[in-house]
Amino acid sequence: GQQVMQIPQYQHVQEGEDFTTYCNSSTTLSNIQWYKQRPGGHPVFLIQLVKSGEVKKQKRLTFQFGEAKKNSSLHITATQTTDVGTYFCAGRNSGGGADGLTFGKGTHLIIQP
Amino acid sequence: EAGVAQSPRYKIIEKRQSVAFWCNPISGHATLYWYQQILGQGPKLLIQFQNNGVVDDSQLPKDRFSAERLKGVDSTLKIQPAKLEDSAVYLCASSPFPINGYTFGSGTRLTVV
Repeated sequence: GQQVMQIPQYQHVQEGEDFTTYCNSSTTLSNIQWYKQRPGGHPVFLIQLVKSGEVKKQKRLTFQFGEAKKNSSLHITATQTTDVGTYFCAGRNSGGGADGLTFGKGTHLIIQP
Repeated sequence: EAGVAQSPRYKIIEKRQSVAFWCNPISGHATLYWYQQILGQGPKLLIQFQNNGVVDDSQLPKDRFSAERLKGVDSTLKIQPAKLEDSAVYLCASSPFPINGYTFGSGTRLTVV
């Protein structure tokens, strides 16, 4: 079945430093979504990417979808303590059939003030 | 708009007992999902409903798990009998259409002892 892998599993940064997490799928995706989960909370939808090579920005967050639609990245510029949490990518298979999202294991972002 | 409601918030049961979780999605959201999130991992899809019909239950352990969405609104997920490895957070999510981002509920944290 479809597998979605994320690296790194954990990332420690100093406040103000940049952060990037990478997502790779074993299959071509129709689209990819990103979620943020605060400690003790539930996943919250951030964004969806659909087109090959798509780049979207939300303030300090930049999301990219690879040309082959098998990989994606999330980059945060100048991290703040409010960015703490786990960032998940979730992919939807392009092969038809069931269209539920497959989540990666997430990247835990830890920020040291 | 009101979010996705789930209850109970926490549940502790002994192995071999049964348990049920309830979810009320956002009004008008046709698609409803149940995910299982084991500590430190990403959410894993258990079942997807479109209105009151099952779209995908390929990862639902049907020998012990069951779910229904009568009348296409509320949904219940049941485990009978529970095993120790069922300890996890059970998340319900809904979306207007399958291609949209999901809104997750706060989840039910199940501990099986």
